[in-house]
Amino acid sequence: EPEVTQTPSHQVTQMGQEVILRCVPISNHLYFYWYRQILGQKVEFLVSFYNNEISEKSEIFDDQFSVERPDGSNFTLKIRSTKLEDSAMYFCASSGEGGNTQYFGPGTRLTVL
Amino acid sequence: RKEVEQDPGPFNVPEGATVAFNCTYSNSASQSFFWYRQDCRKEPKLLMSVYSSGNEDGRFTAQLNRASQYISLLIRDSKLSDSATYLCVVIYTGGGNKLTFGTGTQLKVEL
Repeated sequence: EPEVTQTPSHQVTQMGQEVILRCVPISNHLYFYWYRQILGQKVEFLVSFYNNEISEKSEIFDDQFSVERPDGSNFTLKIRSTKLEDSAMYFCASSGEGGNTQYFGPGTRLTVL
Repeated sequence: RKEVEQDPGPFNVPEGATVAFNCTYSNSASQSFFWYRQDCRKEPKLLMSVYSSGNEDGRFTAQLNRASQYISLLIRDSKLSDSATYLCVVIYTGGGNKLTFGTGTQLKVEL
């Protein structure tokens, strides 16, 4: 069964450093997403991406964040200058035509020290 | 008011019991509804979509009441493996495909 994959599973970084979280969506999917979940809190939408551009983003997704699809398979989330409050689980998701049913990757746990 | 509201639980039930979870959503312009399940420190996994006419998938039944802005999930014959957090999820009309999550309801099925 096809699945979304994410690397790394855990990333530890120092405050102010840049991090890149990587995702490989399901191969024939067209819509890509990033969500985050701070420990003990609900899953929150960050950004959606379709046809090589951002289709929607939340208030959380400020200028420190960017997304890219550098090739035909990878989808990345970059945080330029990490803050302590960026510590969270980051989930990538993808969906096919129609877009409603989203499948999540296993997540990257980001710890900012 | 929270966009998607759920009782956090935990619901502790014996194996074999029937348990029901409820969820309310604040935005009447909602178009799609789902139940996801999330195991501890894992990703959300789609359990089932929720349709206006109600729908069933094995031991799981989902209901939607648009007038009351209320969604429910019923689990019959609970199994130990059903222990997880159940997330109520909504897509709002005009919100693209953005999923809006509730905080989840924790279920613990015990022997």
